[in-house]
Amino acid sequence: EVQLVESGGGLVKPGGSLRLSCAASGFTFTNAWMSWVRQAPGKGLEWVGRIKSKTDGGTTDYTAPVKGRFTISRDDSKNTVYLQMNSLKTEDTAVYYCSSGGDYWGQGTLVTVSS
Amino acid sequence: EIVMTQSPATLSVSPGERATLSCRASQSVSSNLGWYQQKPGQAPRLLIYGASTRATGIPARFSGSGSVTEFTLTISSLQSEDFAVYYCQQYNNWPLTFGQGTKLEIK
Repeated sequence: EVQLVESGGGLVKPGGSLRLSCAASGFTFTNAWMSWVRQAPGKGLEWVGRIKSKTDGGTTDYTAPVKGRFTISRDDSKNTVYLQMNSLKTEDTAVYYCSSGGDYWGQGTLVTVSS
Repeated sequence: EIVMTQSPATLSVSPGERATLSCRASQSVSSNLGWYQQKPGQAPRLLIYGASTRATGIPARFSGSGSVTEFTLTISSLQSEDFAVYYCQQYNNWPLTFGQGTKLEIK
């Protein structure tokens, strides 16, 4: 059974940092392109960024509002993908989901940026 | 950035009836289009990819059609569990983008 389990969400002040983790199981993680998608309260879905498999170069792409502030990385030995979020803004408040290529999704973790 | 526009914003349909949801892309996405269902408090669920291919385990009452810039999701006979928000999403160009969603509600 495929499982994606996010962790690391919480309350942080504007300008602060947070690192989210997503532990994967039930599929071949090393071959997967992994993504982070967020959803602000009561709003729609926004693709935050993705990391390709190492076989496909391991490169990352980000949506414009987070470029330069967020970094996605992966540890294939731990079947885990990370989202490092720096210089957080109130508009980054959202539920953050990790996804394997859009097929499988975690349950999400809430990030609240507030003073 | 490719803008995805869904219509209508809200669709009221009775159980057992057909629902037709539309999605338009601001430029060609070929057939690189997916549809997702999301219920309150849950993660999105992939229904359709490649514009018309049902994902694993998705009932046959869900069908997708279209290409280039115009797409449709049809639910042939609505069941109670189908009332949710539906999103289209293009994966032809980065950044991947979603439509704003169509809320399918019980009439």
